[in-house]
Amino acid sequence: DIQMTQSPSSVSASIGDRVTITCRASQGIDSWLAWYQQKAGKAPKLLIYAASSLQGGVPSRFSGSGSGTDFTLTISSLQPEDFATYYCQQANSFPLTFGGGTKVEIK
Amino acid sequence: EVQLLESGGGLVQRGGSLRLSCAASGFTFSSYVMFWVRQAPGKGLEWVSLISGGGGSTYYADSVKGRFTISRDNSKNTLYLQMNSLRAEDTAVYYCAKNHPGVLNTVDYWGQGTLVTVSS
Repeated sequence: DIQMTQSPSSVSASIGDRVTITCRASQGIDSWLAWYQQKAGKAPKLLIYAASSLQGGVPSRFSGSGSGTDFTLTISSLQPEDFATYYCQQANSFPLTFGGGTKVEIK
Repeated sequence: EVQLLESGGGLVQRGGSLRLSCAASGFTFSSYVMFWVRQAPGKGLEWVSLISGGGGSTYYADSVKGRFTISRDNSKNTLYLQMNSLRAEDTAVYYCAKNHPGVLNTVDYWGQGTLVTVSS
């Protein structure tokens, strides 16, 4: 199974800050990686697919990069509605696996 | 507008069975791979199962293989998850999810989730 390791597990940031979340795969997954945002009590929402493609309707302050084993989700200027938990997921092979999540909290 | 509406969750005793349903609308259901993903209370996301558009191919997480069965009825636009031999560790919110049109094994829409609680 491919293990997905996210870091940090939590981050405290202020409005307007640049936030970077990393995700490392235990083996190469090309660009088969997605990022999701989940707010408390809600279903996840797709932000980024294929490592760097922005899902329709998602603000351009979100961006993704990476390939192989190392990936990054960047929020260029944190907004109040961005406080949530973020998950990466590898789409390369079964079983599909998620990272442990990164909680973005208000500083 | 894509809508996924899960039902069938509830409280069940350890060793019991439950069938979840997911009614889909707003897209051509038979054309899409569908998933079940779960989330234990206070925990992260765990992929459970996947089924191809025609229903001929299915995949399962090792944690549920042999106990859970995914199926679909394309005439009713409905996805199912039959859960047998339930364990305490199966307690979770179960999400029905639709595959992205452009990339496999990636969810673009999620249902609101249905809670399954397995009592010991």
